[in-house]
Amino acid sequence: EVQLVESGGGLVQPGGSLRLSCAASGFTFSTYSMNWVRQAPGKGLEWVSYITSGSSTISYADSVKGRFTISRDNAKNSLYLQMNSLRDEDTAVYYCARTAAGHYGMDVWGQGTTVTVSS
Amino acid sequence: QSVLTQPPSASGTPGQRVTISCSGSSSNIGSNYVYWYQQLPGTAPKLLIYRNNQRPSGVPDRFSGSKSGTSASLAISGLRSEDEADYYCAAWDDSLSGPGVFGGGTKLTVL
Repeated sequence: EVQLVESGGGLVQPGGSLRLSCAASGFTFSTYSMNWVRQAPGKGLEWVSYITSGSSTISYADSVKGRFTISRDNAKNSLYLQMNSLRDEDTAVYYCARTAAGHYGMDVWGQGTTVTVSS
Repeated sequence: QSVLTQPPSASGTPGQRVTISCSGSSSNIGSNYVYWYQQLPGTAPKLLIYRNNQRPSGVPDRFSGSKSGTSASLAISGLRSEDEADYYCAAWDDSLSGPGVFGGGTKLTVL
């Protein structure tokens, strides 16, 4: 079964750091581009970051640029999001999602992990 | 304020046809494919339409997408109660250095 499972969410104080992980299974992870998408409470979706299969292309939303770092370990079938200098507005459910082969839609999503930034 | 503009809400009765619009610009919808996602309450989003009008396997043909210029639409025919969800359009944007952009989302209510 094709699956993505996020972990690493939790409560953190403003200015703190957190590292999210996404474990992939059921497909050849190393051949797919991946994404992080977040959703603040009661709000819409925000595309946070994107990374190609070999990490040659990486992009970030302006709202997280310079604070968040996306990375992957193809040997461990894992995607990561290092989040530093966290702000209240980073509070959200964070989803990892696979970019489909052949087009740029996100065809597989994890269940999400919740990040709460609060003092 | 989202780069792609959607109506915040839409509604219809069972069996009706409903359309949801998504308005963008030449740098996103005007020059890139449009994608639609469905998010049922309390769940992760699901890809509904890719490349403007293509349905992934398993998505009923009641769902259809179209694009014209800098706007796109999602149509749902034969509306069913289980279609009550939030719907998001998305596209890549050539003017931004980041990844793609989403619309603000449309909450569909089945009356």
